[in-house]
Parts: sequence; structure tokens; C-alpha cells
Amino acid sequence: AQKVTQAQTEISVVEKEDVTLDCVYETRDTTYYLFWYKQPPSGELVFLIRRNSFDEQNEISGRYSWNFQKSTSSFNFTITASQVVDSAVYFCALRANFGNEKLTFGTGTRLTIIP
Amino acid sequence: DAGVTQSPTHLIKTRGQQVTLRCSPKSGHDTVSWYQQALGQGPQFIFQYYEEEERQRGNFPDRFSGHQFPNYSSELNVNALLLGDSALYLCASSLLAAQDNEQFFGPGTRLTVL
Repeated sequence: AQKVTQAQTEISVVEKEDVTLDCVYETRDTTYYLFWYKQPPSGELVFLIRRNSFDEQNEISGRYSWNFQKSTSSFNFTITASQVVDSAVYFCALRANFGNEKLTFGTGTRLTIIP
Repeated sequence: DAGVTQSPTHLIKTRGQQVTLRCSPKSGHDTVSWYQQALGQGPQFIFQYYEEEERQRGNFPDRFSGHQFPNYSSELNVNALLLGDSALYLCASSLLAAQDNEQFFGPGTRLTVL
């Protein structure tokens, strides 16, 4: 069975601060994908980043960066120089097995950026 | 290029009633997945349809059923509604043969059961 844990329920930071969202996952599969989604008040899930289990290289994409560590089963997500528009609920998700499309989500972290 | 669309946006039903939610996938996609998101929780996988067949199913009772049409659109039906069925229902579409199988989500249907 797969499980995704987001221990941070709510986070508030002042605008322009950096913020890191934590994600820990469990899976027995050797191949899998990890995702971060953003859910603004409108409700639609917006895809942010994807990482497959073969590639532990950490990357930066604009103000977003992620830290994937297979040894600790963690996939943390950082927003640099936060903006008010970043306020939303962020979900970490796991999809085990290539071709198996079921996504297992964490419970989400509500991020509030204070102007 | 239209994304994933869902209808209706909001719905209010009473216990015991039946409801049908609808989803049109992103153009070019052939697979539709449904998720239930209770308030304050992450989305939970209900089932997935491909080629008009249920391909995978999550841990949901038989009261939840679905259908996929030849044009790839899909319906989610819930019978004998319970108060606990109140949630945001999200539809996601993807292309099964695509290497990354990325799922694109619709805006959801918010169901309230009174």
C-alpha cells in the first residue's frame, strides 16, 4: 500500500520569505512518480512538479525547487521569495508503478502568505 | 484547447437520493479518473475508466458507479446518498499511452448532502 504524509497542516509566512513544504511517502514499489499539486480556493488541482524514482537530482524551476531523498523517502518542496498568489493548499502525491495512474495524495498543507 | 470540464459546479441533494456528475476530458485524452475530496482532506481515488471499462477501483462501496462514453466523457453515479458523501468530486483525464501519464484535473463538482 502507498501512503503520503504531510505533517504540516498550516504554514504562514510573510511575503518574500522562503518556505519549505514537507512530504514523506511510503511505497513498496521500486518505480514510482512523486508530484506536488497546488489547490487554490477555486478548487482545481494545478500540477506543479513531477519527479520519478530513478532521478534523485534536485532541480530549480523559477521560484520552485524540490529536494528528493530516496534514503529518507522525502520529497520536500520549496517556494523562494513567496508571493501572496502562492497562498493555497499544497498536496504531495505518489503514483506507484509506471502505467498505474492512481494517485495517492497527502492531506495537504495550507500555505498563507501574509502581505 | 479546452481543459477538463465538469458539471454541475454545485449540487445539493438529500439523504437517500441519487446523483450523477459529469466530466469531459481534455482534448486528446482517453482515460478518466474520479476522486473524492472531503473537506480538509486530500483527494481519494474512486475509480478510473478507459475504453468504456472500469480499469481500476479504489476503496469505495458499490453505491459509487461510473460510465465512460465513446467520446471519452464520463459520468459518476452515487446511489443512496449519505451525509458523508458530501465532498468535492474531481475528475482527471490523461492519455494512457503517454510516457508520463500526467493527469489534468477539472474544477470539480461540490456535492452537499443534507
